[in-house]
Amino acid sequence: DVQLVESGGGLVQPGGSLRLSCAASGFAFSKYSMHWVRQSPGKGLVWVARIDGYGSAAFADSVKGRFTTSRDNGKNTMDLQLNSLRAEDSAVYYCVRAINWNYPAHYFDSWGQGTLVTVSS
Amino acid sequence: SYVLTQAPAVSVAPGETAKITCGGNIIGSKSVHWYQQRPGQAPVLVIYEDKMRPSGIPERFSGSNSGNTATLTISWVEAGDEADYYCQVWDSRSDHVFGTGTKVTVL
Repeated sequence: DVQLVESGGGLVQPGGSLRLSCAASGFAFSKYSMHWVRQSPGKGLVWVARIDGYGSAAFADSVKGRFTTSRDNGKNTMDLQLNSLRAEDSAVYYCVRAINWNYPAHYFDSWGQGTLVTVSS
Repeated sequence: SYVLTQAPAVSVAPGETAKITCGGNIIGSKSVHWYQQRPGQAPVLVIYEDKMRPSGIPERFSGSNSGNTATLTISWVEAGDEADYYCQVWDSRSDHVFGTGTKVTVL
C-alpha cells in the first residue's frame, strides 16, 4: 500500500523557517512526481509546489522565492523548505503523489495525513 | 491566473442526486479531476480525467465536462457522501489549480 507520512510541522515566528519532510513507501518513488498542497484552517486546498523524479521543481507564485523543495530517491523522501514565513502560510501541508496525465499536468491519487504549520508570534 | 469557481454548498436528501459544478474559462478543453474530503481527513480522488473512476470508488460517482462547466454527479446519495468536494485542473500559466470547494450536506 502507498504510504506518505509528513513530519516537521510546528509553531514558528513570522520571518522564520521550517523544514517539512515526507517519507514515502509502498511504490517506486523515483518514478513519480510529488507535490505539496496546503490547506489553511477552514479553507480550501491550495497547490504549493511540485518536483518530478529528476528533481525539476515548480512553485505557486505565492511561495516562489521563499520555498524550495528537494527529494532523495535513494531514501524515498521529499522535503519542503519554508523560509520567510508569513501568517498566511499557516496551514496543513499535504505530501501528495501525482499521476502523470500529460506532463506536467497531474492529478493526485495518494495523500498523506498532513503536517500543521502555524506562523505566529 | 486560472480560476475555478464552485458553489459553496449543496444540500441533498438521501437517495437523491447531487450535482456539484466547477466553472472555469473553457474548462471543457482541460482535464478535470475531483476530490472528496471528509471532515478531519485527507482528500481522496473520486474522479479523474473528467469521468474516470479510481478503483474502489462507487459507480454512483460520475463526471462530465463541457464548455465552461465541469460537473460531479453523486447518484443515490448516502450519509457517508457528506464532505467537501474540490475540482482540480492543470493550467499552463497557473500550474495546478483547485476549485473553491463545495460542502455537500445530506439532509
